[in-house]
Parts: sequence; structure tokens; C-alpha cells
Amino acid sequence: GQNIDQPTEMTATEGAIVQINCTYQTSGFNGLFWYQQHAGEAPTFLSYNVLDGLEEKGRFSSFLSRSKGYSYLLLKELQMKDSASYLCAVLDSNYQLIWGAGTKLIIKP
Amino acid sequence: SQTIHQWPATLVQPVGSPLSLECTVEGTSNPNLYWYRQAAGRGLQLLFYSVGIGQISSEVPQNLSASRPQDRQFILSSKKLLLSDSGFYLCAWHHRVEGTGELFFGEGSRLTVL
Repeated sequence: GQNIDQPTEMTATEGAIVQINCTYQTSGFNGLFWYQQHAGEAPTFLSYNVLDGLEEKGRFSSFLSRSKGYSYLLLKELQMKDSASYLCAVLDSNYQLIWGAGTKLIIKP
Repeated sequence: SQTIHQWPATLVQPVGSPLSLECTVEGTSNPNLYWYRQAAGRGLQLLFYSVGIGQISSEVPQNLSASRPQDRQFILSSKKLLLSDSGFYLCAWHHRVEGTGELFFGEGSRLTVL
């Protein structure tokens, strides 16, 4: 079967750095997405990785290792507004998105 | 620019009542369209997707149905709601051939069945 694993919840301090991991086992791979979802709102796109390596976008970076079936989202200089759920999703061989359950990130002052 | 809207944003319905959620996309043509449901504190569950008018694929057997009467319109329906239908419903689209497969979501519809 297809499976995406990410921690249920993480806590970090304002101004610090946090890394949210995602491991996947899917039938084929056509890219990995990270989405941010604030409580009660729709997910919004953060990043897309299809090749191994690090993609940096401002305070957020996303890393992919296809051989290990592993990705992480790195958030720097954390702000209170970064409190949200972060969803990892993989595009499989049929170009269908397989979603993780999401990681709830709690930022403390 | 492309936009997606879904409505209503919030609704409270009694068990056994019908449901209709509507979603429209503007600024693009031939999109792939999706209905997802998200239970509290859970991930996204794909309910239906459509690659064209009248073409609906169901991922989960249930008392819900979907229709695509026009290219950019996607409707989620039920004849009789169950308590377990409560949740946050999300419509989404992506380019069929362009882009990376990134999904663009509507604002969401929160359904409470009492």
C-alpha cells in the first residue's frame, strides 16, 4: 500500500528553527509537495520537490532524497503566524496526490 | 488569473437531509477537479475527482455523489446525510497538462450534521 508518515505534532519557540520530516512509500514518484494549513482554512502551497536536494524559498526550505523516500521542511526564524499544520503529499505514478495526516506545529513565545 | 470558489462556507444540517456543495473555477479550461474531506485533526481524504465533463471517479464508497455539469463546475451531493458526513470539505483543481500537479484549493465548506 501507499503510505506517508509525518509527526503528529511539534512544538518550537519563536525565532528558532524547526524541521518537519516526512517519509513516504508510494507506487511511483512524480514529486513531493508541502502545504501549510491554518486552522479552519484551506491548505496553501509551500514547495515542490522532484529532484534530490534542497529548495529554498525565503524562511522556508524543503529537502528531498528519493533513494531514502524522505523529505523535510525547514522553517527558520519562526514567527507566531507559522503556527499551523504542515501537510506532506506525494504525486504517485498515476499523478494522484497521496497525503500525509499533517504535522501540527505549535509556536511558543 | 485563476480563481476557485466553493459555497456555502458553513452549514448545519439534520441527519437525513440532502446536501449540495458547489465549486467553480475561473480563468482556466479543462481543469482536473477534486473533492476532499478532512475530519478534525486528520489528513485529506479524496472523495471524487473528474478529468472532464460528466467524468467522475469515486475513491471511497459512501452516500455522497459528485457531478460535473460544466467544464469548470463541480458539485458534491447527498440525498440523505449521515452523522459521519460531518467534516471540512475542500474543492480543488490543477492543470491537466501544465505545471507540476500543484493543487489549488477553494475556501472550504464546514459541514456539521446533527
